[in-house]
Amino acid sequence: DQQVKQNSPSLSVQEGRISILNCDYTNSMFDYFLWYKKYPAEGPTFLISISSIKDKNEDGRFTVFLNKSAKHLSLHIVPSQPGDSAVYFCAATLNAGNMLTFGGGTRLMVKP
Amino acid sequence: EPEVTQTPSHQVTQMGQEVILRCVPISNHLYFYWYRQILGQKVEFLVSFYNNEISEKSEIFDDQFSVERPDGSNFTLKIRSTKLEDSAMYFCASRSGLPPYEQYFGPGTRLTVT
Repeated sequence: DQQVKQNSPSLSVQEGRISILNCDYTNSMFDYFLWYKKYPAEGPTFLISISSIKDKNEDGRFTVFLNKSAKHLSLHIVPSQPGDSAVYFCAATLNAGNMLTFGGGTRLMVKP
Repeated sequence: EPEVTQTPSHQVTQMGQEVILRCVPISNHLYFYWYRQILGQKVEFLVSFYNNEISEKSEIFDDQFSVERPDGSNFTLKIRSTKLEDSAMYFCASRSGLPPYEQYFGPGTRLTVT
């Protein structure tokens, strides 16, 4: 089952630069998308979400973009900080709030 | 800030034994979930629970699994007869009944079946 895919297992970025994490999905019925950050030995921490009726949502340094025609979403972190180093998961849901379907995660490393 | 808590943080059990994983969701939340992550794999949905009943479950959640909300604060996952392949991190999550619909996760219980 590959309904949500994150094709880049890792990403390395210099502190202060932009981090762009990508996610693709196959199920056009997904109507709500979320990004989570996860540190080792901790649970996923919610970052930002977007409804399928929008194409952009911004919260501080984090912006999520949704391209429904391409079934693609991305998370932009600007500026990146060393504390942002973690694994980032995108997730999608049908009927917003139901079970989450997760991507495989992208490990972000922000170098000082 | 309110958070989801889970106990124990690590549980070691022998194959065939019963285990109960415990969660205390955020107090005013109405929807409760269990997910698991086998080492090196994706986070996978197990079950959702609302209004004292299961609202959705995955293929993983077979007859060996059960959930319960025994009182107003705890939410438990029971595995009746553990198998080696049940070894994973188990995450509890909860959300309120209102938008936005993000689910808040606990720190997880690492279950090791030997």
